[in-house]
Amino acid sequence: AQSVSQHNHHVILSEAASLELGCNYSYGGTVNLFWYVQYPGQHLQLLLKYFSGDPLVKGIKGFEAEFIKSKFSFNLRKPSVQWSDTAEYFCAVTQGAGNNRKLIWGLGTSLAVNP
Amino acid sequence: KAGVTQTPRYLIKTRGQQVTLSCSPISGHRSVSWYQQTPGQGLQFLFEYFSETQRNKGNFPGRFSGRQFSNSRSEMNVSTLELGDSALYLCASSLELVAETQYFGPGTRLLVL
Repeated sequence: AQSVSQHNHHVILSEAASLELGCNYSYGGTVNLFWYVQYPGQHLQLLLKYFSGDPLVKGIKGFEAEFIKSKFSFNLRKPSVQWSDTAEYFCAVTQGAGNNRKLIWGLGTSLAVNP
Repeated sequence: KAGVTQTPRYLIKTRGQQVTLSCSPISGHRSVSWYQQTPGQGLQFLFEYFSETQRNKGNFPGRFSGRQFSNSRSEMNVSTLELGDSALYLCASSLELVAETQYFGPGTRLLVL
């Protein structure tokens, strides 16, 4: 069965620092990959997604992620974080196909950005 | 378009009781998924409904059930509540398949005493 690992549970950065959050999954084959973000007091929302094509995906608010199939990874990056990026970040990967397809989620990474 | 709405937002129950949570998806979305979110387990998939049919189910006991109505609104029910059922229950809707972009509601926070 698919499993998703987010290596960093808590990350603390200063503003303008660069960010990289790791996400690895266990099951090979065709997958769809997502990063979702949950800002304090807000709903979970999509940050970016990869289905096919260019493995470097750009999302909202300057975030990007790179799909490296050989490493089963989909790491999230941002060159310069802001205080408003303080949030919980979740990686999710599909498992199965057709009607049996479902999303498997990582445990999340809590990011705190100090002003 | 209005977003995904969930009612109630907060709920306190005692062990052994049952609870019903409601979710109204974004207009036009046919897929509704339910998740349980806890600090230690993250988001755990409960089930997905599509066109009134349960299409997929996670690894939860039979005490957790759900249904979807013809207008795509969905309910989930938990019977014989246990302390461990305390969690944030999230509903998400998507146009078609669960693996497409999901739009989440604010959740229902359930506390079981």
